[in-house]
Amino acid sequence: ETVLTQSPGTLSLSPGERATVSCRASQRVSTSFLAWYQQKPGQAPRLLIYETSSRATGIPDRFSGSGSGTDFTLTISRLEPEDFGVFYCQQYGTSPLFGQGTKLEIK
Amino acid sequence: VQLVESGGGLVQPGGSLRLSCAASGFAFDSYAMSWVRQAPGKGLEWVSSISGFGGTTYYADSVKGRFTISRDNSKNTLYLQMDSLRAEDTAVYYCAKIVSRNWGLLDFWGQGTLVTVSS
Repeated sequence: ETVLTQSPGTLSLSPGERATVSCRASQRVSTSFLAWYQQKPGQAPRLLIYETSSRATGIPDRFSGSGSGTDFTLTISRLEPEDFGVFYCQQYGTSPLFGQGTKLEIK
Repeated sequence: VQLVESGGGLVQPGGSLRLSCAASGFAFDSYAMSWVRQAPGKGLEWVSSISGFGGTTYYADSVKGRFTISRDNSKNTLYLQMDSLRAEDTAVYYCAKIVSRNWGLLDFWGQGTLVTVSS
């Protein structure tokens, strides 16, 4: 069974800085089935990225995804104050799997 | 798109509960749907998915044999029947719409309903 491990657990950055979140899979994941979500406190998750690097509707271009095989990355190029929250990677399919989450705090 | 969950509450271990998710703003019967849960202070866990017409279902091993997903397309409503509930089933339960032809990829989510299993 595949396990998705995200790092770091917590990220504390200032507006304007670059954020990088890693998602490592215990087995190869097709780039067609890797997504990222953002969840703010008290809210439902929001789809950010699908198929590793495609932005969902309405997602700003400062969010980007990359990777292949077992290593995937979510990058936020220039942090805005509203970008805080917990980010989850997901392998989707008939038995979807989420990473444990990375908390992004804005200083 | 709007998804509104209901039916959560406090239930004793071994008890049952049925969650509902009322959908609007899209052609409900054209889309597969999922339930995803989140234990207090924890991450996301996929629970179950169902095809547009209900003929195909999938379950996480943690709920297989205890939970049943279903839908009533005439009422634009998704359900999750939860039986033999355990303390570890305590969570906020979200319903979510699956992106067309991409099982498990969730583009719209409800706000969730809290299920607490405790004596």
